[in-house]
Amino acid sequence: GNSVTQMEGPVTLSEEAFLTINCTYTATGYPSLFWYVQYPGEGLQLLLKATKADDKGSNKGFEATYRKETTSFHLEKGSVQVSDSAVYFCALNDNQGGKLIFGQGTELSVKP
Amino acid sequence: EPEVTQTPSHQVTQMGQEVILRCVPISNHLYFYWYRQILGQKVEFLVSFYNNEISEKSEIFDDQFSVERPDGSNFTLKIRSTKLEDSAMYFCASRGDRASYEQYFGPGTRLTVT
Repeated sequence: GNSVTQMEGPVTLSEEAFLTINCTYTATGYPSLFWYVQYPGEGLQLLLKATKADDKGSNKGFEATYRKETTSFHLEKGSVQVSDSAVYFCALNDNQGGKLIFGQGTELSVKP
Repeated sequence: EPEVTQTPSHQVTQMGQEVILRCVPISNHLYFYWYRQILGQKVEFLVSFYNNEISEKSEIFDDQFSVERPDGSNFTLKIRSTKLEDSAMYFCASRGDRASYEQYFGPGTRLTVT
């Protein structure tokens, strides 16, 4: 079945460091891919999305490119801030039924 | 900006009791979902709902669970007889239409079963 695998956390970075959180997926067909962010004590917020191969999603300085050849959707940010500290979830959309399938989440901690 | 709301934010209940978790999806959305997240684990799909019926459910969503859209605004998840392992954060989500893939999540209800 469809699945999503993320790099394990926690990831600890200094402010202004470069961020990469790896995400790979297994899916039949052509799913849409998402990154959601969960700030402490809050729900899930959609960060960015890509709906087809080679699409790049971007938001708030974060980017991810849908790579069909490597079945990946890695999240990147050039310069992280303390306020980016959160748990990041990669997810794919089962286009047949619409449900989201999530990775296990990667906790990011940014130190000043 | 429209948002999904959930009540209560935290529910404590005793094992064997019934609980109802409530959600108000974004008003013009057509697809509704429940997910849960056991502490420290991944977010898991429970059920999807469209056109007043369940469109898909996971293995977790057994006979103890039910969903309902009793009026034009609320979407509820009922657990008939709670178990300790039902303790989790429960998220409601809604989606606009078939062409729109984004799901918008509520802040969640933390359910604690003692």
